Amino acid sequence: DQQVKQNSPSLSVQEGRISILNCDYTNSMFDYFLWYKKYPAEGPTFLISISSIKDKNEDGRFTVFLNKSAKHLSLHIVPSQPGDSAVYFCAVANTGNQFYFGTGTSLTVIP
Amino acid sequence: ETGVTQSPTHLIKTRGQQVTLRCSSQSGHNTVSWYQQALGQGPQFIFQYYREEENGRGNFPPRFSGLQFPNYSSELNVNALELDDSALYLCASSFDRGEPQHFGDGTRLSIL
Repeated sequence: DQQVKQNSPSLSVQEGRISILNCDYTNSMFDYFLWYKKYPAEGPTFLISISSIKDKNEDGRFTVFLNKSAKHLSLHIVPSQPGDSAVYFCAVANTGNQFYFGTGTSLTVIP
Repeated sequence: ETGVTQSPTHLIKTRGQQVTLRCSSQSGHNTVSWYQQALGQGPQFIFQYYREEENGRGNFPPRFSGLQFPNYSSELNVNALELDDSALYLCASSFDRGEPQHFGDGTRLSIL
C-alpha cells in the first residue's frame, strides 16, 4: 500500500530555471514532511522539512510547499544548478514514528 | 563530527544463510532506523530503535531483527535469506525520534 507517491520518475530542467518536484500522500494523519537528495553510491541526504502547521518553508534556493487539503507536497529549486542533478525522495511521517518514502524523481539540470 | 557509517559495503550470501549488517550512528544521535531499498524504489522502513528499545516496525517478517547498543550503534540481522532480500540496506540515525534522519551510504546485499 503506497503511502507516498512521486508520479514523475524523471525531470529535466535547464540551468537557471526553476525545478518543481511533486509528491502526494494518502494519510491525513501525517504531520512531518521532508525532502532528501541522493547521489549514486551514497545514502540520501536530508535537504529540507516542513511540519503540518506551516504551508511553506524556505532554505536558500530550496522551498517546500505543503497543501494539506490536497495532501500534496512540492519542492521548488530556483535557480537550478547542474550540481542539483540527483534523485529526490519525499518522505512523510507521524511525529516520532516511521518515515514513508516515495519512489524518487531523478532530476537532471542541463548546463 | 563523524557521520553515519555502515559495514560492510557489499556482501554476497546464498539462500538460507544468515547475515548481520552494522551501523555506527552519528555522534549524539539516540535513534536509529533501518530501511531496505530495492532497485528503482524508495527506502522501505524495517524498524526503528530509540534508546535501545524497538520504537516501531514496518511490514517485514520476524526473520528481520535488530539491536541497538548502549553506544547507540546498531545491527540488522536477517535469517533464512531469500532471493528477494537482495537490496541496498540503509541505516539512518537522528538526534531524537521525529527529527530528520541522517543516512549512511548503505550495504549492498546480494543473495545468490
